[in-house]
Amino acid sequence: DIQMTQSPSTLSASVGDRVTITCRASQSISFWLAWYQQKPGKAPNVLIYQASNLESGVPSRFSGSGSGAEFTLTISSLQPDDSATYYCQQYNSYPWTFGQGTKVEIK
Amino acid sequence: EVQLVESGGGLVQPGGSLRLSCAASGFTFTTYSMSWVRQTPGKGLEWVANINQDGSEKYYVDSVRGRFTVSRDNAKNSLYLQMNSLRAEDTAVYYCARPRGSFDSWGQGTLVTVSS
Repeated sequence: DIQMTQSPSTLSASVGDRVTITCRASQSISFWLAWYQQKPGKAPNVLIYQASNLESGVPSRFSGSGSGAEFTLTISSLQPDDSATYYCQQYNSYPWTFGQGTKVEIK
Repeated sequence: EVQLVESGGGLVQPGGSLRLSCAASGFTFTTYSMSWVRQTPGKGLEWVANINQDGSEKYYVDSVRGRFTVSRDNAKNSLYLQMNSLRAEDTAVYYCARPRGSFDSWGQGTLVTVSS
C-alpha cells in the first residue's frame, strides 16, 4: 500500500499569511494526487486534482504543485474561511489512500 | 446538481450486519464508478471500496475484504454497501463518493456505530 504522510499536523497562521502543506508518498504516484478541505461536520471538498489542477469554483489563492512522491498545497493569502483540515489523497493505485490531515488554525 | 444521499447507518452489535444505501441524482449514474469512504476520529479518512460502472469490477481495502460487499443498481441509481461481521473498529461515518480521478462529489455521510 502507498502511505501518504502530511506535514505539519497542525499549523497556526495569521490572515494574509502564505501557508504551505507538504504531502509525501511512500513511492512515486506520478501526478495522481488530490487535495481536500474539510470543515467540522461536513464532507471533504476537493480543491486540487492531478497535483496542480484547481477544481472549478475553488478560490485562486489555493494552488498545488509537485510530482512523483513530493507535493505541496499552498494558500497564498490565508483567509478566515480557510480554517479547516486539509487532506491529500493518492489515486495512482489501489488501495487509494489519504494523508492523516493538517489542521489549519487562524491566529 | 449532483446529489448523493446515504442512509442505513445506526447502532449494531459486534458481529452484526448492516446495509448502507446511497441514492444518486443529478448526473448519469451509469457512466461513473462509485466508492465508499469512511472517517473515524482516530484513523482519519479511509477509502473502503470501489465498483465500476456495470458492477463487474470491485476493489476493497484489506481491512474489509471478505466482510463487506459493494454493489449497485443502475436502474435505481443506487449504490450499496453490505457490511457483515462488523467490528468495533468499523465504527465511522460512511460516505458515498464519486471518483472522477479525485472524489469530486460526496454525500453527507451516515454514522455506523458498532458497540454492545
